[in-house]
Order: sequence, then C-alpha cells, then structure tokens
Amino acid sequence: GIQVEQSPPDLILQEGANSTLRCNFSDSVNNLQWFHQNPWGQLINLFYIPSGTKQNGRLSATTVATERYSLLYISSSQTTDSGVYFCAAVNDYKLSFGAGTTVTVRA
Amino acid sequence: ETGVTQTPRHLVMGMTNKKSLKCEQHLGHNAMYWYKQSAKKPLELMFVYSLEERVENNSVPSRFSPECPNSSHLFLHLHTLQPEDSALYLCASSQETGGGRDHSYEQYFGPGTRLTVT
Repeated sequence: GIQVEQSPPDLILQEGANSTLRCNFSDSVNNLQWFHQNPWGQLINLFYIPSGTKQNGRLSATTVATERYSLLYISSSQTTDSGVYFCAAVNDYKLSFGAGTTVTVRA
Repeated sequence: ETGVTQTPRHLVMGMTNKKSLKCEQHLGHNAMYWYKQSAKKPLELMFVYSLEERVENNSVPSRFSPECPNSSHLFLHLHTLQPEDSALYLCASSQETGGGRDHSYEQYFGPGTRLTVT
C-alpha cells in the first residue's frame, strides 16, 4: 500500500506564530485530505486537495502531486489549533494515513 | 457535526461479552468504512462497504464482524475481544461515483467509539 510520512512529528508554537506541516506519499494517489483530530477524537476535514492550493481562513494547503507531497500552513496560530493533524492519501477506496503531527500552541 | 453519528461514544466490555457499534450517515453517501485507531499508531482501515457490499476486509480477526443493512447504516459486531482491541473505532462515509481515478472519495468521519476491553 501507499506509505504516507508526516513531518515534524511534534510541533510547539507560541500563539501568533506561523508553521508548515509536510506530508510525503510514496506513490501517485487519487486525492489527498488533511484532517485535524480534536482531543475528543473527532476527525475534522480541513482540506480535500488532490493538487493546487486552497485556503480556508488562517489555514492553507498546497499539493504537488507530481512530486508526491503536500503542505499545510497554519498562520497566526491560536490555542484552539492544538491537536493532531493527519494527512491521508486516497487510492481507490482507501485512505492511507500518516502518523500525524501533534501541534501544541502555547498562550 | 459532520453528518456521521456513532453510538455508543464509550464502551467498556469484558472479553466474553458481545456488543455492537453503530454508525449512521446522513449525507446520502453510498460507501462506508470502519477504522481502528490505537494509541501511538496511525489509523488502520478495517472494512469497506460500497453500495452495501463489502469490498474490503483488511485481514481483520473474525471476532470483528461488520454488517451494512443499507447505505445509511453500518454496524460492527464484537465478540470475545482481547485487551489489545481497546482503541478508538471510527466510522466514515463517502460518495463513490464509479471506476477510474477522477471521482471524489472525500471521507467524512463520525466522532468515534472509545472501546475498552477488560
């Protein structure tokens, strides 16, 4: 199956800082999703982004499918951004998840 | 609120018990999934149902038995579980639009059932 690697594994930010999370995948994929998992376990869809760039408020994402990576940008981070961010690559029916980046935003 | 609900949210069961997890999606999707998330491990796909037929069983032990009576409901029947089966079980749904590589598989997840096997 497809291997999905995320970096860094952990990220500590001061409130207001910007950051970039990276997702590499081992093969071509149909599509790619970014999720935020809150402390209660709920996976929240952030972006569905097979290619190109999308923006949603303080978050934006870029996928370069030909080079097999995707980036998630967090700008002006807030404490509510804390949690685990997952990248998942879609091939046929399956999402193959990365191990996640744990983000802690300190006030 | 993602349009996917799961019950119960928390479950504690003994190794000899039989219980069921329920998932319901209100999005009009035609594919549903069970995932397992153990501590310190990535999410693992367990089962996939598309158009109410099981299309994937990812080498899951037989003590986990899925059921999809219609496109809106998905169950996971549990029996004689082991303590290592304690995990967060997540259900998801998507709209499957046919073969090929150009259709949408965006998946939406429910809040999960946190299962503890004692």
